Amino acid sequence: VIWMTQSPSLLSASTGDRVTISCRMSQGISSYLAWYQQKPGKAPELLIYAASTLQSGVPSRFSGSGSGTDFTLTISCLQSEDFATYYCQQYYSFPRTFGQGTKVEIK
Amino acid sequence: QVQLVQSGAEVKKPGASVKVSCKASGYTFTSYYMHWVRQAPGQGLEWMGIINPSGGSTSYAQKFQGRVTMTRDTSTSTVYMELSSLRSEDTAVYYCARASSGWIDYWGQGTLVTVSS
Repeated sequence: VIWMTQSPSLLSASTGDRVTISCRMSQGISSYLAWYQQKPGKAPELLIYAASTLQSGVPSRFSGSGSGTDFTLTISCLQSEDFATYYCQQYYSFPRTFGQGTKVEIK
Repeated sequence: QVQLVQSGAEVKKPGASVKVSCKASGYTFTSYYMHWVRQAPGQGLEWMGIINPSGGSTSYAQKFQGRVTMTRDTSTSTVYMELSSLRSEDTAVYYCARASSGWIDYWGQGTLVTVSS
């Protein structure tokens, strides 16, 4: 099983801030990592796959980087609609695993 | 457009079973694997397993082995997830989610399963 450590669990920020979320793997997964955004009461939505490829329709203020064991999701200029919970997920091996989530809240 | 439409909310007693359906449309059903992921109230996402709609093969998380069964009906483009021996800890929203080359690109709307005596 590949264990994932996502940090921070809670991030307080203001509109316009640049924020970064980290996801660390217990073993290397090359670039087999996705990021999802989830708003309250809604299903998650895909933001990024293959560690750094932006899903169609996702704003360019979102970006992903990393490979191997350390990955980062960056929101360059936080907008009001970005306050949500973010999850990383590895698809290198089974069982698929998710990070614990990072809630981005208004400061 | 791709749509995954799940069955409605369920209330079950401890020890019972629940079967959640997920009807796919807008794409070739047998060309994409389907995951099941659940989320307990206020908690994170938990992967339960995956089914290949083409041949019906499955892979389950060890935690659910022996309690979960995933099936499909190609005639109606529907996948099913049945969870047995329900306990209060199984209270969660259950999602079906389409696999695209590994990552998940589409999610169902979720089905709330409440286990309560």
